[in-house]
Amino acid sequence: QKEVEQDPGPLSVPEGAIVSLNCTYSNSAFQYFMWYRQYSRKGPELLMYTYSSGNKEDGRFTAQVDKSSKYISLFIRDSQPSDSATYLCAMHNFNKFYFGSGTKLNVKP
Amino acid sequence: EAGVAQSPRYKIIEKRQSVAFWCNPISGHATLYWYQQILGQGPKLLIQFQNNGVVDDSQLPKDRFSAERLKGVDSTLKIQPAKLEDSAVYLCASSFGTSNEQFFGPGTRLTVL
Repeated sequence: QKEVEQDPGPLSVPEGAIVSLNCTYSNSAFQYFMWYRQYSRKGPELLMYTYSSGNKEDGRFTAQVDKSSKYISLFIRDSQPSDSATYLCAMHNFNKFYFGSGTKLNVKP
Repeated sequence: EAGVAQSPRYKIIEKRQSVAFWCNPISGHATLYWYQQILGQGPKLLIQFQNNGVVDDSQLPKDRFSAERLKGVDSTLKIQPAKLEDSAVYLCASSFGTSNEQFFGPGTRLTVL
């Protein structure tokens, strides 16, 4: 079983839609959870960084962590064509980072 | 604040040749990571440095890959000899400490023919 599971997509939505991206994980020791956005031929850029369970909001982005279910989500409101990218979840337990395989998102104008 | 710098951006070599990648992390970041990202997959950690010491190299194919971080700043990753399956993007990332968020460079896209 992989440490982190993420649906690869692709996910295609119309502009303005609410997007939900998800990851599940197996290691209950994970404490820090991140979402990265990666545009084609670029390095990943950090979007959200959260600690333990709960919600964190930043503009159109909301990160949600449910440690009891070992499930994290990223919600994008009012999605824009510029949000089209691959979204990677990541998590760590103080020592090592684990990345999901990424979900490719396409927002159609 | 300058980001993580990597060079070259692209490299094409033939199998059995050697190649080296260079990374300059964000100033003040003690932790440096090298990742391999194969198309359609998430980054896979190859090696992690804390200053100039190796913290984790458990997934580094040591028969052909080597990395160093002299003086605890810049780092180089070398592949010798390269195989077809080494074709990937090699990402360098840095963080202030081992528990802090990582910042990635643009990557080096390697094609092995």
